[in-house]
Amino acid sequence: QQQVKQSPQSLIVQKGGISIINCAYENTAFDYFPWYQQFPGKGPALLIAIRPDVSEKKEGRFTISFNKSAKQFSLHIMDSQPGDSATYFCAASTPGAGSYQLTFGKGTKLSVIP
Amino acid sequence: EPEVTQTPSHQVTQMGQEVILRCVPISNHLYFYWYRQILGQKVEFLVSFYNNEISEKSEIFDDQFSVERPDGSNFTLKIRSTKLEDSAMYFCASSEGLIAGDYEQYFGPGTRLTVT
Repeated sequence: QQQVKQSPQSLIVQKGGISIINCAYENTAFDYFPWYQQFPGKGPALLIAIRPDVSEKKEGRFTISFNKSAKQFSLHIMDSQPGDSATYFCAASTPGAGSYQLTFGKGTKLSVIP
Repeated sequence: EPEVTQTPSHQVTQMGQEVILRCVPISNHLYFYWYRQILGQKVEFLVSFYNNEISEKSEIFDDQFSVERPDGSNFTLKIRSTKLEDSAMYFCASSEGLIAGDYEQYFGPGTRLTVT
């Protein structure tokens, strides 16, 4: 029940295209959903996060869509660029219940080709 | 921009030896965390630390592990007797505090631990 399932495992997108990564969860107590970007040999970097009281959040080319009833959330990267090539992790936690530990998905390796 | 720093970047140790991984969280942050990532796998939570005590720990964080904030800036993870399966990248993270919305965790660059 604590798992966060992420798909696809890998994704190849052409430059200028839209990258879409999906995550699903079972634990309805999760109330904080961040996305992290990780380049090889580096730590995860916070990209964007959403709380379940909104269905969408946009920051620049990055948008999180959240479907509370389906217990799913997704990351959309518009106008994907070769510099976006990295591994993306979704995560979830229950800060409302006093737990800040992040449960991560298995990651999606995104390759943006010119 | 403030960032979490970690030392060393790479640590090689022999099985059974003790290692200490060091982290300097962002200066005004109050919550500290350790995560690990075995090569090619997802990031896994180990422990969180607040107000000089452990607030949460995972099943991975057994008696071989301990954490400490020895002074006002450092946060350490000690593995008492390393095993081969402890080989992983260890990430330190910190977050600002308990104010509603301050859940953002910022990760350091990691320490690659290799146990031989």
